Amino acid sequence: KQEVTQIPAALSVPEGENLVLNCSFTDSAIYNLQWFRQDPGKGLTSLLLIQSSQREQTSGRLNASLDKSSGRSTLYIAASQPGDSATYLCAVIIQGAQKLVFGQGTRLTINP
Amino acid sequence: ETGVTQSPTHLIKTRGQQVTLRCSSQSGHNTVSWYQQALGQGPQFIFQYYREEENGRGNFPPRFSGLQFPNYSSELNVNALELDDSALYLCASSPSGGRVETQYFGPGTRLLVL
Repeated sequence: KQEVTQIPAALSVPEGENLVLNCSFTDSAIYNLQWFRQDPGKGLTSLLLIQSSQREQTSGRLNASLDKSSGRSTLYIAASQPGDSATYLCAVIIQGAQKLVFGQGTRLTINP
Repeated sequence: ETGVTQSPTHLIKTRGQQVTLRCSSQSGHNTVSWYQQALGQGPQFIFQYYREEENGRGNFPPRFSGLQFPNYSSELNVNALELDDSALYLCASSPSGGRVETQYFGPGTRLLVL
């Protein structure tokens, strides 16, 4: 059974800092991995999608890496801003399945 | 092009009652998935509907059931509500072919069971 874990559960940093969010998964037979953002009371917004054959993806100040062999992914946020405050979720898609398996999320607070 | 919409936004029920949640998929999307997100947890997959047929189910009891209509909108029905059913229920739609990584999520329905 695929399990996804995110560390830390919550993180508070001052504005301008670079930060890393961690995601680990137990079964390396994944199809791809996605990072989402969730604002309070809102649905999920996809940030980055990494195919299983890729090592990383970048979008603006965000960079996500994937190491399938070790079952790890990281989301790097550069020059953090108060608007980055949200819950960040990682999710994997298992090969042959049509569902996302989510971690429990990291609640990020950027202090002005 | 409208996004995924869900109704109602909030709902309060008592234990033992039944509830129906609704989802309108994004235009052109024929696959709908439902997820349950308990407070402080990540979403958990309930089931998926593709062209009006159930196309996969998570570890949820039979009192969780669904429907998809010809216009690809969907309903989630929960019978005999329990306190632990209190959660945010998310609907996600994806384009023809049902590629999960192209899902678009709605804002969710927050259900409170007293």
